[in-house]
Amino acid sequence: IAGITQAPTSQILAAGRRMTLRCTQDMRHNAMYWYRQDLGLGLRLIHYSNTAGTTGKGEVPDGYSVSRANTDDFPLTLASAVPSQTSVYFCASSDSREPTDTQYFGPGTRLTVL
Amino acid sequence: GQNIDQPTEMTATEGAIVQINCTYQTSGFNGLFWYQQHAGEAPTFLSYNVLDGLEEKGRFSSFLSRSKGYSYLLLKELQMKDSASYLCAVMDSNYQLIWGAGTKLIIKP
Repeated sequence: IAGITQAPTSQILAAGRRMTLRCTQDMRHNAMYWYRQDLGLGLRLIHYSNTAGTTGKGEVPDGYSVSRANTDDFPLTLASAVPSQTSVYFCASSDSREPTDTQYFGPGTRLTVL
Repeated sequence: GQNIDQPTEMTATEGAIVQINCTYQTSGFNGLFWYQQHAGEAPTFLSYNVLDGLEEKGRFSSFLSRSKGYSYLLLKELQMKDSASYLCAVMDSNYQLIWGAGTKLIIKP
């Protein structure tokens, strides 16, 4: 089934631990994104990638890193988790060749850092 | 700075019509999106406007006025399943989406 998958669905993590959130899409979209969503705030862009091999910083990149080794995968790594990184994380992808460049979202990862 | 404003919460009755407003101030404009997000789920695409006017898609319509920095989402013949948050987002001059905090719509029988 075409779409975006994320893993894990949820995770409880001790502060200071390293964690990688996985994201895979099979739509051959060139662009991918990582957002965090916190209560009362809009989705905030963490990092993005316009094409395989390139990445860019979004609005809230500190404490996070990404890589884009191929078209399908876009993992997000928290090198040393802190409680303020407790959030719901959404991965999204889009085909920027489309006129609307609509973003399609994965199911999300609920992360709790204690 | 860039800003998207929409009401935090609205309540409407099943079968009625509701209009959710969105105003924006962004650096550049390359389109406005509306997404629906049910509790605990991912946002799903509803509509896209880049030119002034009304776009109709079944029970849902979206309107844009670029000169006023204003959009609305109109939902007709409300159903209980329409209870969700509705997110307004604007694509800025860097082709990044700027998101509003969302409007939680509560439908009552």
